[in-house]
Amino acid sequence: AQSVSQHNHHVILSEAASLELGCNYSYGGTVNLFWYVQYPGQHLQLLLKYFSGDPLVKGIKGFEAEFIKSKFSFNLRKPSVQWSDTAEYFCAVSQEGYKYIFGTGTRLKVLA
Amino acid sequence: DTAVSQTPKYLVTQMGNDKSIKCEQNLGHDTMYWYKQDSKKFLKIMFSYNNKELIINETVPNRFSPKSPDKAHLNLHINSLELGDSAVYFCASSQDQRPGNTIYFGEGSWLTVV
Repeated sequence: AQSVSQHNHHVILSEAASLELGCNYSYGGTVNLFWYVQYPGQHLQLLLKYFSGDPLVKGIKGFEAEFIKSKFSFNLRKPSVQWSDTAEYFCAVSQEGYKYIFGTGTRLKVLA
Repeated sequence: DTAVSQTPKYLVTQMGNDKSIKCEQNLGHDTMYWYKQDSKKFLKIMFSYNNKELIINETVPNRFSPKSPDKAHLNLHINSLELGDSAVYFCASSQDQRPGNTIYFGEGSWLTVV
């Protein structure tokens, strides 16, 4: 069965630390990859997405993600986090003929 | 203007009751969804409609019945509510069924069954 794994369930960082959140998926073939963010008490919103082309994707608020096909990974990165980045981060994958599948989320807490 | 709006935002009700959550999108999208987010933040699709037609129906109890009167609306009716139905329910939409489309979420409806 298709699946999306986010191995870090909780991450705590100090401001200015670098962030990398892991995402692995189990699909073969062409995939579309997404990172969504959910700030406390709010709805999910898109951070960035990958369809094709340059595997390094830049999103909003200084986030970027790198698609590594050989590793079935799409890790999210930010060089220097801020307190306002405290949120839940969801990786998602979609493929032709299949619905979106979301990972279980990573809760990021940034200490001021 | 809110792109995807759902009401009510908070709902507390007793077991056995029937309740509805309404959703509307003003993005002109063809496809709408209902997602359930449980207490562990796990987000799972329940239903998807495209142009008022049901295209995804996950293994959801038949106490849950979606209704799409037009492509801008997708309401969720829940019969005989159970404690385990307590969750946040997110309505969402996308331009169409193509897998590369961004999904736009509503702000969620916090349902608590007591």
